[in-house]
Amino acid sequence: TQLLEQSPQFLSIQEGENLTVYCNSSSVFSSLQWYRQEPGEGPVLLVTVVTGGEVKKLKRLTFQFGDARKDSSLHITAAQPGDTGLYLCAGRRGGSNYKLTFGKGTLLTVNP
Amino acid sequence: NAGVTQTPKFQVLKTGQSMTLQCAQDMNHEYMSWYRQDPGMGLRLIHYSVGAGITDQGEVPNGYNVSRSTTEDFPLRLLSAAPSQTSVYFCASSYMEGPWYGYTFGSGTRLTVV
Repeated sequence: TQLLEQSPQFLSIQEGENLTVYCNSSSVFSSLQWYRQEPGEGPVLLVTVVTGGEVKKLKRLTFQFGDARKDSSLHITAAQPGDTGLYLCAGRRGGSNYKLTFGKGTLLTVNP
Repeated sequence: NAGVTQTPKFQVLKTGQSMTLQCAQDMNHEYMSWYRQDPGMGLRLIHYSVGAGITDQGEVPNGYNVSRSTTEDFPLRLLSAAPSQTSVYFCASSYMEGPWYGYTFGSGTRLTVV
């Protein structure tokens, strides 16, 4: 059983479209992070959310942590080809500040 | 540039051969870990360390050994390579205190076992 379920698994859209990807769990997390991984590279941290209901914005990317701290979403406005990559969510559970649990990721392709 | 350095970038092994994947970080991170990434399987934790001299197993440790003699280095040893170990391997490091710190990943080692 995957602790963090990401959906959709694959997403292919045209430049300029908006999209939302989801990260869901039945467990509570003390914090949740989003990473982006480009082909041939390791994942790179985009954001950390800690408080239930928290919303953070990074240019055209909006991240939200669910009120119950069991889920998160990533919304991209006016997607660009440079947004193409694998988006991974990762959570820390209470009592373990260093171990992250990763979802399997959403592979996003933005076509010009 | 500060970060996590992994070597080699690519490697082809024959079944039964052994090798060591190198990982070094210069950020004084206490926590270091090794993951393998396979299509449809996501990132799976192999081994991790919370400081020099301290290591522990992750979810897929069989066939791999680690040691941590210094804060900076965390090599991963394949004892007798098998085709099932064909994968992309990532080393990651982090501070341990507080929820804000993310993992810094290396750029990966693509390993093929034939």
